[in-house]
Formats: sequence, C-alpha cells, structure tokens
Amino acid sequence: GAGVSQSPSNKVTEKGKDVELRCDPISGHTALYWYRQSLGQGLEFLIYFQGNSAPDKSGLPSDRFSAERTGGSVSTLTIQRTQQEDSAVYLCASSLMGQGTEAFFGQGTRLTVV
Amino acid sequence: GESVGLHLPTLSVQEGDNSIINCAYSNSASDYFIWYKQESGKGPQFIIDIRSNMDKRQGQRVTVLLNKTVKHLSLQIAATQPGDSAVYFCAENVSGGSNYKLTFGKGTLLTVNP
Repeated sequence: GAGVSQSPSNKVTEKGKDVELRCDPISGHTALYWYRQSLGQGLEFLIYFQGNSAPDKSGLPSDRFSAERTGGSVSTLTIQRTQQEDSAVYLCASSLMGQGTEAFFGQGTRLTVV
Repeated sequence: GESVGLHLPTLSVQEGDNSIINCAYSNSASDYFIWYKQESGKGPQFIIDIRSNMDKRQGQRVTVLLNKTVKHLSLQIAATQPGDSAVYFCAENVSGGSNYKLTFGKGTLLTVNP
C-alpha cells in the first residue's frame, strides 16, 4: 500500500477483554515498530521487528502484551485482560532497514478500555 | 524545549515569525536524528533528518541544527504558518549499534496565531 495502515482506527473494549491491533507496513519495509502514546504525551516504544523476529521487546509493559509478525509483513499487537491504563493510541511505524533510516507512521489505533 | 513533566512544553508564535523548537537528547552514542510533526488525530510525519557527521541541514522552510557537544537538537521553521501548528517530536537512533529503536522526546506543542 501507499502508507502504513492500522486497524481498527478506534476500539472500545471492556476491562478484562483481549484486543488485537493490526498493522500493515509499507510493502518491502523490513523494520516494524510499535509505539504507544497517551493523551498529550510522547511516544513510548513497545517493540521492534526486523523481518519476523523481534530483537527488542524491552518496551512491552507487561506479559499481557505480545506481538507477532508474519511473512515479514503484517504485525499484530495483542493485549490480554485489558486494563484502563492500557487506554492510549497505539502507533505502528515501518522503515526500509531499521537503523539510521526514517520511519513512516500509521494513523494509529485509539484504544479505550471502559 | 523538551520536558519530562506530564504537560507538553508549548511555543506560541505569530504567523510569519520564525519558530525554534529545542530538544535535548539522551544518548551520546546516537548518530541519527529525526524531527517529526504530529497533527491532531494523525500519526507523526517526517520533517527532516540529520546524521551526526553534520551540524546543520536545511529543507524547505526548515533547518535542523545539531550540537553533539551538549547533545542538543533544534528545529527552526521560517515564516511560520497556521498549518505548522502541531506537536513536534525529535527522535534519536544509534545507526551502528544493536539498539534499533527510535527514541522519542516528549514533544513540543507549536501554536501559530494568525
């Protein structure tokens, strides 16, 4: 596609439910990032993929958070047993190589846990 | 400039004035830097980047200055326009290391008054 695509754009879920957020990176981009942004805050790094492997998962806040990437393309971020503090905008970005190259962002998924 | 507090630093300028947004980065090993612009409800968009072998780089109406001695980055916007109103983030990366992630600053909210 022309840019990074994320779905859904908005998600409202009840506390305790699991959610899956999807990211379609730019075709051919080997690096994929997930970030979280709370209202009025900066971008908090969650996880980085190079191809299908994740050399850096250091930003995942708890074991309720997991992510996978298949075929070197689509990535899914899963949050189990959601909590209210998980409410945020989840942003995905991709880049051609990863290190020292520009990352392109999607529009984000706004997650609200009620 | 950047802040570690909960509220974004803000900069308010008059249309037509020049704007300077500052960023203090954290990692002395970082050698690649990007400025992103984030409009309300959208993902961050690339503005300009600079590598550590340079101390200045110019784009269209924007200039980035890098001072590695004091780990400081600035973004200058010439003849600021209402469409420049957004949150501006700096990001840093170590292109030659194993740390692939882009680390973002907290952001600065720029408001342009007509």
